[in-house]
Amino acid sequence: QVQLVQSGGGVVQPGGSLRLSCAASAFTFGDFGFHWVRQTPDKGLAWVAFIRYDGETKYHANSVKGRFTISRDNSNNTLYLQMNSLRVEDTAMYYCVKDLDENYNDGSWFDLWGQGTLVTVSS
Amino acid sequence: ELVLTQSPATLSLSPGDRATLSCRASQDVRRYLAWYQQKPGQAPRLLFYDASDRATGIPARFSGSGSGTDFTLTISSLEPEDFAVYYCQQRSNWWSFGQGTKVEI
Repeated sequence: QVQLVQSGGGVVQPGGSLRLSCAASAFTFGDFGFHWVRQTPDKGLAWVAFIRYDGETKYHANSVKGRFTISRDNSNNTLYLQMNSLRVEDTAMYYCVKDLDENYNDGSWFDLWGQGTLVTVSS
Repeated sequence: ELVLTQSPATLSLSPGDRATLSCRASQDVRRYLAWYQQKPGQAPRLLFYDASDRATGIPARFSGSGSGTDFTLTISSLEPEDFAVYYCQQRSNWWSFGQGTKVEI
């Protein structure tokens, strides 16, 4: 079954760190770019980061640049989001998302979504 | 900053009605616009990309149209499972979403 299964997340204090993982199955992971997207009731959906199919290109939203890092392990079909220096405003549901198009250099549409993982930053 | 504005915020309709949802971009996005459906407790699902290309498995009662700054998602006859929140998204300038339209019974 084609799917993305997320893990990680939880409650962390401001200034703390978390790593989110996203395990892919039943498709050729290394052929697709991936994104992280977060959602809050107040601000809605927001793109966080993108990584190209080969990991050679990465983009991060200004709101997380310098604090979050997207990465991938194509040998283990897994996507990651390392989140450092967390702030209260980073509290959200985080989704990993697969690109629609294969081998697309700059990121495509959001084709397949993980189930989401909740990150809560609170003292 | 490229802003997507969806209207109305809420659409109150009955099964069998026609639903027309609007998304307006603050600058020209050509046809780089998608629509997603989200039900409570679920992740969003891709409905249309490139303004009018239907994603896999999306029923024909859904249609997408538009280009430039004005886009429309139409549901020709609402089924019970169509009551949800719908988001538009652009990828002309990075990626961003509208605030959503809730289609409620």
